[in-house]
Formats: sequence, structure tokens, C-alpha cells
Amino acid sequence: EADIYQTPRYLVIGTGKKITLECSQTMGHDKMYWYQQDPGMELHLIHYSYGVNSTEKGDLSSESTVSRIRTEHFPLTLESARPSHTSQYLCASSDHSEWGAADTGELFFGEGSRLTVL
Amino acid sequence: AQSVAQPEDQVNVAEGNPLTVKCTYSVSGNPYLFWYVQYPNRGLQFLLKYITGDNLVKGSYGFEAEFNKSQTSFHLKKPSALVSDSALYFCAVIDYKLSFGAGTTVTVRA
Repeated sequence: EADIYQTPRYLVIGTGKKITLECSQTMGHDKMYWYQQDPGMELHLIHYSYGVNSTEKGDLSSESTVSRIRTEHFPLTLESARPSHTSQYLCASSDHSEWGAADTGELFFGEGSRLTVL
Repeated sequence: AQSVAQPEDQVNVAEGNPLTVKCTYSVSGNPYLFWYVQYPNRGLQFLLKYITGDNLVKGSYGFEAEFNKSQTSFHLKKPSALVSDSALYFCAVIDYKLSFGAGTTVTVRA
């Protein structure tokens, strides 16, 4: 079992609310990621981090923001939620030093946070 | 252009029959290829990977995948499917970052 945790698992909120999705891992991984999984079930990278104080935007433009103050913690925040933000958000971490290097390349995923904005 | 493609949205097989989930890739150089599985209401789980070496890679839960460089494919296979294999399967490739395919829903009927 991977030691990466997401809370809440399910969240239903009203439009305009601020929400934070939590993600924590106990594996000491430097790299962490947020994926958005839409109703068609495709995965889209929205944010990633290569270490403390490092955050980058992914392929899919997102109104969310992230922070990486501690290695183990990578929260995602929506300042003002809208129905278009309704989706499943998956957090992941990995221990490889760079893409394509001779290491596992395996991502460890959390269980996901399913957000519904009314 | 998409780095990895899964041409089938859905695959339906009877329990006990062979299962194949198709994946093709388009990256320069030597590809690093992965398969992940997602069970309902769960995160993704790593199944197997190809980095180098034997073209036939064995992974978790009796799955294996065959790397075919000439056909740029990395199809996932299981000789005898189980109902519990019903899930969403993602192929992924490292192309300066990890890119996932659109996913294939596998349904194994009893």
C-alpha cells in the first residue's frame, strides 16, 4: 500500500466557497503531482512540484493553486469554487530524480478527492 | 500530438478468456512505458513498466505487457481474465514528463 493520503475523499460545496484539498505522503518523495480526472476519465496534469518551494503548472490550465512548504505536504486550493471545477482530483508522488533516469518512474497515487460544486 | 494512445474506450471479455488492452506510443528515443489500473472510487495503482531489456514484461495480478518497437506498441495482456479485473486501465509514457492515455474500461463478465 502506498503511503499517500488525500482528504477529503468527497466534498460537496456551494459556488464561491474556498476549498483546500489536502495531500500528504510519508515516503519522503521529492516529486508530487496533482491530476484532474474529468467525467470522461482522462487524466490531466494540473500542477507538479520537484521539491520544497518548487511548484509548476501542468498541461491543463487550472484556476487552482498549490504550495509546497514541506516535503510531505502538497495542498491544492480553489479560492472561489465554481460548478466547472466539479471533478476528481488525484494526488501522486514519485521518487525518481528525473524523467527517464534509471529508476522506477513509478507514481504512487492517493485515493482521490471527488469535488462537487453546486 | 498525443504521446500515447489507447484506441479502445471499452473492452468486454468473458471470464476465463484472454484479455488484451491496446496501447501505442509516439516518442523519440527509447520509450519508458507504464500501465496503471484504477478500480472504482480508488486512485491509480502501478501494474508494470518497461524501461529496457526483455520485451515481455510481467507485472502485478498476472498481467504482462509486450513491448514492440517496430509497431510502437505496448499492449497489456492477461491469459485468463477474472471478473475482479474489471477496471479502468491507463497506459503511460515518459516524454520529458509522464503522459497518460485516455484510459480503457475493461469489463469482464461472469
